[in-house]
Amino acid sequence: EAGVAQSPRYKIIEKRQSVAFWCNPISGHATLYWYQQILGQGPKLLIQFQNNGVVDDSQLPKDRFSAERLKGVDSTLKIQPAKLEDSAVYLCASSSARPGLGSPLHFGNGTRLTVT
Amino acid sequence: TQLLEQSPQFLSIQEGENLTVYCNSSSVFSSLQWYRQEPGEGPVLLVTVVTGGEVKKLKRLTFQFGDARKDSSLHITAAQPGDTGLYLCAGEFDSGYALNFGKGTSLLVTP
Repeated sequence: EAGVAQSPRYKIIEKRQSVAFWCNPISGHATLYWYQQILGQGPKLLIQFQNNGVVDDSQLPKDRFSAERLKGVDSTLKIQPAKLEDSAVYLCASSSARPGLGSPLHFGNGTRLTVT
Repeated sequence: TQLLEQSPQFLSIQEGENLTVYCNSSSVFSSLQWYRQEPGEGPVLLVTVVTGGEVKKLKRLTFQFGDARKDSSLHITAAQPGDTGLYLCAGEFDSGYALNFGKGTSLLVTP
């Protein structure tokens, strides 16, 4: 089975510019997550989708971050405008089941964003 | 957001030594997972525990879930350089909510 695909792998932008990340989950996985991982820390949830609906976006900085999952498959995460503190690895994960069932998350290799 | 505390934050040991890392919270987990993350890659699931007092073994790794389901430990016997990585615990606190991750334990095993 193909894993979670993310692109680009690396991105360097200047502050106040915009950037977008793309994620293709494992086929058939209804639940999709975006996590932000700052160097030296664990992943922090940004947004959770169930099919194409948002389940939890309580930690998404909505003044600058947006995400969508059209048709319940691929997803994009956008930052506009970027700040220096957005420098991090952005991880996409998918799962075949809803949270609460102990089902595993399958992660992509992430996009490393550097904001200068 | 519920907090998960992991300790130690960093651990550097020599090949062949044993080690234990810990994960705990003030709240009860409905389930808990351990992941390992290598540089430049996403976390990979090692184990899921759901029952208080549960013990699971994965080769040289032993995972234990506390009786009260508020803590967990990962014990590695005879560590090898291939065990090097970031060990993350992640807990579900309420059904339907996404996993919350701890900050991780960064393990370095030198030959």
